[in-house]
Amino acid sequence: QVQLVQSGAEMKMPGSSVKVSCEVSGGSFSNYAFSWVRQAPGQGLEWIGGIIPILDTSNFAQTFQGRVTITADRSTSTAYMELSSLRSEDTAVYYCARGSLEGNWIFSLWGRGSLVTVSS
Amino acid sequence: SYALTQPPSVSVSPGQTASITCSGEGLGDKYASWYQQKPGQSPLLVIYQDIKRPSGIPERFSGSNSGNTATLTISGTQAMDEADYYCQASDNGVVFGGGTKLTVL
Repeated sequence: QVQLVQSGAEMKMPGSSVKVSCEVSGGSFSNYAFSWVRQAPGQGLEWIGGIIPILDTSNFAQTFQGRVTITADRSTSTAYMELSSLRSEDTAVYYCARGSLEGNWIFSLWGRGSLVTVSS
Repeated sequence: SYALTQPPSVSVSPGQTASITCSGEGLGDKYASWYQQKPGQSPLLVIYQDIKRPSGIPERFSGSNSGNTATLTISGTQAMDEADYYCQASDNGVVFGGGTKLTVL
């Protein structure tokens, strides 16, 4: 069964960066797009951006332009999201979500989430 | 930027039909998806491309999309359907609605 295995919880200082990983276990990697979606405590879902590994193309929500980097390593079937200049408002659970064969932005598979806490 | 609007909460009695709306400019010209999220869990896709159900999603979940409004309908609502529901569309990126808390009481 295909799973998205995400990296563990992180505690970061304001102004620093965090890099979260998402490894595909038991399935194909390159044929799908991968997105990152975050959820602040008690809040809704917010799309950060996505990447299509086979094309090595990525796009981002305007809110995160210039502050986020999304990459994919096809050799290890792993996608990464790095967010810089962290502030307390970035405290959230960060989800990795895989697109489907019907559409890159139809999120048919999700990771369990990685909690990122930004605090001094 | 594009925005999707959902009611914050909807209540329904067990066995009745629940309808959750999602409004956005010209939404009917785009594809809408719906996700269910229970406390402490990751979101789960329940409807995509307006009306399609992924494998394993019960038939009581259905969707429609026309004009400026997409609707998720749950027929014969069960207690296990109590959750937050989010609509989603693509417009120069991905946009989620603010979410609707469905209470079954």
